[in-house]
Amino acid sequence: AQKVTQAQTEISVVEKEDVTLDCVYETRDTTYYLFWYKQPPSGELVFLIRRNSFDEQNEISGRYSWNFQKSTSSFNFTITASQVVDSAVYFCALSGFTGGGNKLTFGTGTQLKVEL
Amino acid sequence: EAQVTQNPRYLITVTGKKLTVTCSQNMNHEYMSWYRQDPGLGLRQIYYSMNVEVTDKGDVPEGYKVSRKEKRNFPLILESPSPNQTSLYFCASQPGRANTEAFFGQGTRLTVV
Repeated sequence: AQKVTQAQTEISVVEKEDVTLDCVYETRDTTYYLFWYKQPPSGELVFLIRRNSFDEQNEISGRYSWNFQKSTSSFNFTITASQVVDSAVYFCALSGFTGGGNKLTFGTGTQLKVEL
Repeated sequence: EAQVTQNPRYLITVTGKKLTVTCSQNMNHEYMSWYRQDPGLGLRQIYYSMNVEVTDKGDVPEGYKVSRKEKRNFPLILESPSPNQTSLYFCASQPGRANTEAFFGQGTRLTVV
């Protein structure tokens, strides 16, 4: 069975601080994909990144960066110089070959609050 | 514009009154699915469809039905809603190849009293 753990339920930071959201996963698949989604207060789900299990290179996109470590089964997400607009719930998700190959197993989410 | 459209966005209903939440996508995607989001549980898959007339259960299918008569539509049916089905529901659409990014609808907040 697949499992995604986001141990941080809620994080509060002051604007301009850096913040890291943790994601730990479990799967028996040798090939799998990891995702991050953002859910702002308006409620929609916004795709941020998709990474396959063979690509362990870190990725940076503007203020966002992702650190994938297969050895520790982790796919952590860092926001540099956080802004109030980053306030949202962030979900980490995993897909392998169950559910027709497209089923997403989500973590429970991390609520990020960025204050002035 | 590529999109997944769910209706209604908000719904309050009474126990036992059948309802349907519609979902339509304009991206010609083969794979569609329904998730429910509950506090502390994240999103869980209810049902999925790999193509027209091909549907299967996800992790939490009890109390739900789906159909896929056309590629673009994937309605979620609650034949006899109960209060434990009060939740935020999302329809998702993905290309047929495996492990792709999901495009989500705007969500339907359902309250069953």
